[in-house]
Amino acid sequence: KAGVTQTPRYLIKTRGQQVTLSCSPISGHRSVSWYQQTPGQGLQFLFEYFSETQRNKGNFPGRFSGRQFSNSRSEMNVSTLELGDSALYLCASSHSGQGFQETQYFGPGTRLLVL
Amino acid sequence: AQSVAQPEDQVNVAEGNPLTVKCTYSVSGNPYLFWYVQYPNRGLQFLLKYITGDNLVKGSYGFEAEFNKSQTSFHLKKPSALVSDSALYFCAVFSGSARQLTFGSGTQLTVLP
Repeated sequence: KAGVTQTPRYLIKTRGQQVTLSCSPISGHRSVSWYQQTPGQGLQFLFEYFSETQRNKGNFPGRFSGRQFSNSRSEMNVSTLELGDSALYLCASSHSGQGFQETQYFGPGTRLLVL
Repeated sequence: AQSVAQPEDQVNVAEGNPLTVKCTYSVSGNPYLFWYVQYPNRGLQFLLKYITGDNLVKGSYGFEAEFNKSQTSFHLKKPSALVSDSALYFCAVFSGSARQLTFGSGTQLTVLP
């Protein structure tokens, strides 16, 4: 099975712009979660989608949003970019996200640099 | 709220020696614990998990972890380290109610040849 894929892998934007990142989960996985990784804050949960619905959201401002399509692919959007948004954005998928025993499998990430 | 602590930012070990990467957790209810590894410019790779059952969990690439409920610890171990094990290791706990993984701050493991 192909793993989780994320596009693009690298992105450079300037402050005030917006950006959209894409994630394709493992085939058959319906739950997609997004995480932000920075040297200062570590790995932080952004949100989780299942069946095109956001089920859970972390403690991030409303500039961070996402959506999921009927084929389980997910996108996240960051509007009005700030320097502090520079990070590695990781997507993870799991079968349903319902069970504590499920493993989340991560993609390679999108590295966003905001200038 | 759940939390994970990895008390060591950096662990150095000689190749062929055993390695231990420490993790302690705090969670209400039963703990569901995971270890992931991250190589430079890569995403996280799953190593192993503890859900229930045996306290010694075996995972990928020869890694294992020991769950200790009384000490609320879930230390990652490997009997004989390889240079290729050098990477950033994350411990995480899954909260069923929040449906999210909470990660520790990570431990950089360096295996010296």
